[in-house]
Amino acid sequence: DIQLTQSPSFLSASVGDRVTITCRASQGISSYLAWYQQKPGKAPKLLIYAASTLQSGVPSRFSGSGSGTEFTLTISSLQPEDFATYYCQQLNSYPPLTFGGGTKVEIK
Amino acid sequence: EVQLVESGGGLVQPGGSLRLSCAASGFTFSSYDMHWVRQATGKGLEWVSAIGTAGDTYYPGSVKGRFTISRENAKNSLYLQMNSLRAEDTAVYYCARYGPGIDAFDIWGQGTMVTVSS
Repeated sequence: DIQLTQSPSFLSASVGDRVTITCRASQGISSYLAWYQQKPGKAPKLLIYAASTLQSGVPSRFSGSGSGTEFTLTISSLQPEDFATYYCQQLNSYPPLTFGGGTKVEIK
Repeated sequence: EVQLVESGGGLVQPGGSLRLSCAASGFTFSSYDMHWVRQATGKGLEWVSAIGTAGDTYYPGSVKGRFTISRENAKNSLYLQMNSLRAEDTAVYYCARYGPGIDAFDIWGQGTMVTVSS
């Protein structure tokens, strides 16, 4: 099974900060990686697919990069509505499809 | 509007069974692979099952042999039959659409809560 390790698991940041979250895969997954945002009590929302393609309707301050085993999600200027938990997901091979453990972004 | 709506969650005793449903609308349901994902309270996301357009099914080891995913295209519906339930199956269960060409879950339902407890 492919394991995904997200770091950090928690980060505290201020509005306007640049934020970077890393997702490392235990083996190469090409660019079959997606990022989701989840707010409390809500379903996850797709932000980025194929490692770097922004889903329709997602603000351009979100960006993704990487391939193989190391990936990053960057928020260029954190907005109040961005405080949430972020998950990466690999779709290179399944079963099983796997998610990272999540990164909770909180207000400093 | 493209939408997924889950139902069927509730309280069940350990060893019991429950059937979840997911009603799809606003898109051609039969053309999409569909998945179930769960999330225990305060925990991360866990993939539970998948069904392809041809009816092929996939499960992780944690539920294989206990859960069965199925679909009824004529009713635009996805199902998850859960048997031999355990306390660790307690979670919010989401259905999700696998977007072809984007290789990600582009549409999610709002979730339905399953509690396994005596």
